[in-house]
Amino acid sequence: SQQGEEDPQALSIQEGENATMNCSYKTSINNLQWYRQNSGRGLVHLILIRSNEREKHSGRLRVTLDTSKKSSSLLITASRAADTASYFCATDNSNRGSTLGRLYFGRGTQLTVWP
Amino acid sequence: DAGVTQSPTHLIKTRGQQVTLRCSPKSGHDTVSWYQQALGQGPQFIFQYYEEEERQRGNFPDRFSGHQFPNYSSELNVNALLLGDSALYLCASSSLGWNTEAFFGQGTRLTVV
Repeated sequence: SQQGEEDPQALSIQEGENATMNCSYKTSINNLQWYRQNSGRGLVHLILIRSNEREKHSGRLRVTLDTSKKSSSLLITASRAADTASYFCATDNSNRGSTLGRLYFGRGTQLTVWP
Repeated sequence: DAGVTQSPTHLIKTRGQQVTLRCSPKSGHDTVSWYQQALGQGPQFIFQYYEEEERQRGNFPDRFSGHQFPNYSSELNVNALLLGDSALYLCASSSLGWNTEAFFGQGTRLTVV
């Protein structure tokens, strides 16, 4: 079964607005990674946040992690039409004794940004 | 610095045939993982290779096999193709170590008819 679950499944906003996507997961994790996917093509890595971190920023992206609630959020500020894509969260719950992580994905959030 | 490259981009095969997909990892990466993404779903982990050995495997039948070469590149082989094998196959590379990023290629779109 898939670990991460994104919410909402679909989000439609106007250019310039902020977009917030949420991810919930079930077991303890080492890190959580957010990816973007355009039209069924490859996944573009956005941000990795580790379990001991609470917030990370990258350009217009802000990711938060709440391990007590087993949830994460991705905020895209001042959205653009080019941000239209599917966004996935992926969790890595390999234990510290393992050096090889594997990722568990949700079904993604489809973001549409209208000009 | 080239990222993760996959070939071919698209492939059409007939049911029962065999297929081989290829992946070259990002420079400096030594671990390759393969994922299958069905339409409208998130990627599902198939297996992972490090030091030319399969290290982890997801819930996929033995028809799915792989290989890693000394230069860290990898192949995914699928035998006896079924219509349900139609999907986007994604390769991800990472460097050995706990808690590291995984970078994906553009994928191979496999259609089984």
